[in-house]
Amino acid sequence: AQSVTQPDIHITVSEGASLELRCNYSYGATPYLFWYVQSPGQGLQLLLKYFSGDTLVQGIKGFEAEFKRSQSSFNLRKPSVHWSDAAEYFCAVRGTNAGKSTFGDGTTLTVKP
Amino acid sequence: GAVVSQHPSRVICKSGTSVKIECRSLDFQATTMFWYRQFPKKSLMLMATSNEGSKATYEQGVEKDKFLINHASLTLSTLTVTSAHPEDSSFYICSATPGPGELFFGEGSRLTVL
Repeated sequence: AQSVTQPDIHITVSEGASLELRCNYSYGATPYLFWYVQSPGQGLQLLLKYFSGDTLVQGIKGFEAEFKRSQSSFNLRKPSVHWSDAAEYFCAVRGTNAGKSTFGDGTTLTVKP
Repeated sequence: GAVVSQHPSRVICKSGTSVKIECRSLDFQATTMFWYRQFPKKSLMLMATSNEGSKATYEQGVEKDKFLINHASLTLSTLTVTSAHPEDSSFYICSATPGPGELFFGEGSRLTVL
């Protein structure tokens, strides 16, 4: 069975500071990995995805994530956070057999001025 | 990127009535659609997987007769909450995919049952 763990329920950073959101997954092989962002009352927007190849992937809004097979991790990073980045962030895993996705419990990001 | 449209975005209904939520893939054919329920400050809970032309596969604990899912075409899936009660109030989100890889999400539907 696949699972996703986001260890940090809530993270607060100052505007302009760097950010790292953690994600660990459990899957029998290398799955497809995703990071989504959700603003209150909205659907999910894809930030970035990893299917194969280069383990450092670039996404929208200046985000990047690194796939580390040995650690079963897919951590999200941003070098300088903007106030508009405050939102809920979800890491997700999907099997390569086109099956269902599993989401982590999410990390709430608060940005201090 | 691909667009998934979900309608209505907000709906308020009386207890005992039924409500239908539509999920449409606008620029691709969705072989599979997923329906989720999200409680406040919680993650997405998968309710069911819907494949075009076949019966939906429901997750454990989800009432099939309460949450009717239809996927009649490659671009449309509907979720009908039957005999809605206040405890069914929630944020419902659909996602669609043409196959392996990325899921594309609708904007979500906020259901309030009075």
